[in-house]
Amino acid sequence: DAGVIQSPRHEVTEMGQEVTLRCKPISGHDYLFWYRQTMMRGLELLIYFNNNVPIDDSGMPEDRFSAKMPNASFSTLKIQPSEPRDSAVYFCASSFSLQGSTDTQYFGPGTRLTVL
Amino acid sequence: AQKITQTQPGMFVQEKEAVTLDCTYDTSDPSYGLFWYKQPSSGEMIFLIYQGSYDQQNATEGRYSLNFQKARKSANLVISASQLGDSAMYFCAMREGRAGAQKLVFGQGTRLTINP
Repeated sequence: DAGVIQSPRHEVTEMGQEVTLRCKPISGHDYLFWYRQTMMRGLELLIYFNNNVPIDDSGMPEDRFSAKMPNASFSTLKIQPSEPRDSAVYFCASSFSLQGSTDTQYFGPGTRLTVL
Repeated sequence: AQKITQTQPGMFVQEKEAVTLDCTYDTSDPSYGLFWYKQPSSGEMIFLIYQGSYDQQNATEGRYSLNFQKARKSANLVISASQLGDSAMYFCAMREGRAGAQKLVFGQGTRLTINP
């Protein structure tokens, strides 16, 4: 089975530009998570969805960040306008919430974003 | 207060030796889950092992085992017979609440280097 798919794998952009990161979760998983990883702050949860509905966006740094999940197989994380401090690796992860399961989150390969 | 503490920023171990990576956690919820992930230099996050707070036995997955000491609130990862491919960052994470609560908090990680 395919794992979590993210695109692009690398993105280099200039300050002020819009950036869109994409994620396809594992088929059948009902939770989707967006994380950001930096050296200074480690791995931080930005937002997560259950059945396409945002549940907790308290980790979204500011209004420049937005996330959507229009259907069960696709999500986007958008940064507009981007700033150099947004440079990080952005991970998407998904999990399955069947009662009694461990709800292990499976991560995509990440998108390395560099904002110049 | 830190929810997950990994006190070893870096560890160096000889190939074929066993290694223990420390993780302590802080929660007042009687139901929680503990996870370990591996992040090699290629950047992906790989799930290794899970321990539930009510599990009676320590979790094992191949060469990985989790030394779960509930009273001490520790969940150390033990890797037996280490291999060069085990060199990576290792993250401990905790889910507070029963399975389905979903939100994970990650530690800062331990960088493990296996020497030939």
